[in-house]
Amino acid sequence: GENVEQHPSTLSVQEGDSAVIKCTYSDSASNYFPWYKQELGKGPQLIIDIRSNVGEKKDQRIAVTLNKTAKHFSLHITETQPEDSAVYFCAASERGGGTSYGKLTFGQGTILTVHP
Amino acid sequence: NAGVMQNPRHLVRRRGQEARLRCSPMKGHSHVYWYRQLPEEGLKFMVYLQKENIIDESGMPKERFSAEFPKEGPSILRIQQVVRGDSAAYFCASSPLGGGYNEQFFGPGTRLTVL
Repeated sequence: GENVEQHPSTLSVQEGDSAVIKCTYSDSASNYFPWYKQELGKGPQLIIDIRSNVGEKKDQRIAVTLNKTAKHFSLHITETQPEDSAVYFCAASERGGGTSYGKLTFGQGTILTVHP
Repeated sequence: NAGVMQNPRHLVRRRGQEARLRCSPMKGHSHVYWYRQLPEEGLKFMVYLQKENIIDESGMPKERFSAEFPKEGPSILRIQQVVRGDSAAYFCASSPLGGGYNEQFFGPGTRLTVL
């Protein structure tokens, strides 16, 4: 089955700096890679996702890059703000095929702290 | 459009009791996934259901755990004879289509504490 590794486990930055979180995956059949933000006491919220047919996707201050050959993908947050502080999870799934039925395999999470 | 609803939000049980966790998917969504999050860990897949069918239960423990998604009403995750190791946050996610064709929208979770 799929295995997703996420680094770093904690990340502390100053407001305005950039933050980068990296993930690797093992199953070459995975073709969908979402990123979730989880605030304390809440459920994960999808913030951006990427499919394997593109290498990069950007949405305002958030971008995700994918290297399918190396099986790794990264989340980039620019101009960080204190409200970006949360736990971020990467995930991988095989979208639309196989016996995985689209179930998500999550990384271990990164606690991001943005200091004012 | 209301989001995914889960109840209760917090549940305390003593060892040996039963826990019932409910999940109401978003309107129009007929696919539900359940995940478990142990303290300071990522979410782990448990089971995937469509209305009236269990499609994939490969992540669910073989004993004491069961899930259903009836034609009418919410999806239920049932844990019998709970043990301390069952203490975790349980999240459900719903999707309009199965097979991962659409993103999964998560509920706020049920935090189960076993005394």
